[in-house]
Amino acid sequence: ETGVTQTPRHLVMGMTNKKSLKCEQHLGHNAMYWYKQSAKKPLELMFVYSLEERVENNSVPSRFSPECPNSSHLFLHLHTLQPEDSALYLCASSQRVGGDHEQYFGPGTRLTVT
Amino acid sequence: AQKITQTQPGMFVQEKEAVTLDCTYDTSDQSYGLFWYKQPSSGEMIFLIYQGSYDEQNATEGRYSLNFQKARKSANLVISASQLGDSAMYFCAMREGHNTDKLIFGTGTRLQVFP
Repeated sequence: ETGVTQTPRHLVMGMTNKKSLKCEQHLGHNAMYWYKQSAKKPLELMFVYSLEERVENNSVPSRFSPECPNSSHLFLHLHTLQPEDSALYLCASSQRVGGDHEQYFGPGTRLTVT
Repeated sequence: AQKITQTQPGMFVQEKEAVTLDCTYDTSDQSYGLFWYKQPSSGEMIFLIYQGSYDEQNATEGRYSLNFQKARKSANLVISASQLGDSAMYFCAMREGHNTDKLIFGTGTRLQVFP
């Protein structure tokens, strides 16, 4: 059983909707991440949080807004998305940023923007 | 230039046989880490094995081993005694430097194990 959970598992939204993706980790980790996995493209890192502070933002459009209220929870708020934003969004956590710590992933949210 | 290259979009292997999934990487850093992840159809990425650039011995984890050839910049994954449950996408990833958490992923290899 994975220590990282994501809800919802599937989401269909229109371009004018506002929705949020939720991630929760039960591993006592201090770092959390959002990744985007599009068809036939490598996994792309979007955001990194360390102890609730954003430490990396990889040129992600402002229509994606992350929030990390505590070290166990991570949200990705979505608004006015485009069809090309349809993808699998994966959350991950690790003990801390940097070093040799592997990242543990959640099952992902399959997002379809219509 | 691609940082992580996985040249095999798909591989087939018979149950109980061994299979090698290729991965080459490109970096000028002396300190880096190499990871392999498995992604079943359910979607989650499952960590398999890690190799640090300064590790002298090849990493092993159960049926998984990493054939690390530093001079050739390759980090191939070897799965021994394949099982039907090994059918999945496999991703090679690299962390450049020591104080970053940015993992650069390859495009993956789809492995299918047949009876």
